[in-house]
Amino acid sequence: KAGVTQTPRYLIKTRGQQVTLSCSPISGHRSVSWYQQTPGQGLQFLFEYFSETQRNKGNFPGRFSGRQFSNSRSEMNVSTLELGDSALYLCASSIGQGALSPLHFGNGTRLTVT
Amino acid sequence: AQSVTQLGSHVSVSEGALVLLRCNYSSSVPPYLFWYVQYPNQGLQLLLKYTSAATLVKGINGFEAEFKKSETSFHLTKPSAHMSDAAEYFCASQIQGGKLIFGQGTELSVKP
Repeated sequence: KAGVTQTPRYLIKTRGQQVTLSCSPISGHRSVSWYQQTPGQGLQFLFEYFSETQRNKGNFPGRFSGRQFSNSRSEMNVSTLELGDSALYLCASSIGQGALSPLHFGNGTRLTVT
Repeated sequence: AQSVTQLGSHVSVSEGALVLLRCNYSSSVPPYLFWYVQYPNQGLQLLLKYTSAATLVKGINGFEAEFKKSETSFHLTKPSAHMSDAAEYFCASQIQGGKLIFGQGTELSVKP
């Protein structure tokens, strides 16, 4: 069974631009979560989607948004990019919600903002 | 507020020595607890999880962790380190939903 697939793996953008990252969950998984990883702040929760509905949201500005499609694939969008948005963005999927459905992570998208 | 603290951002052990990575949690209710490992340029892989079924949890690659409520701890151990264990390790807690609160991570180095 294929794992969580994130595209692209690497991305370079300029301040002020916007970016869309894509995540394909493991087949049969209905929950998708997004995390931002930086050396200074570590791993921080962005948001979680289940059956196309946002179930949880972290403490990030409104420039960060996401959505989930009927096939469980998810995208996250960051508008008006800032230098501080440079990070590894990780997507994780699970069959359902809660600890009995552990998260399976993709290899991430490395975003660099110049 | 829920939080996770990992003591020691870097731990170095010799091959064959005991590995001990420390994690303490703070939560108003007993959380679910996890240990993840991250190799360079990769995502996170689940090592083990505590979901209140048993306080001593065994995971993959010979790792185990013990939940101690009185100490609010969930330390990760492995009796004998291998070179392949060199990676970054993250402790995480979860109260509800799919939101995990991660510790800052501990980088494990293994010396030959």
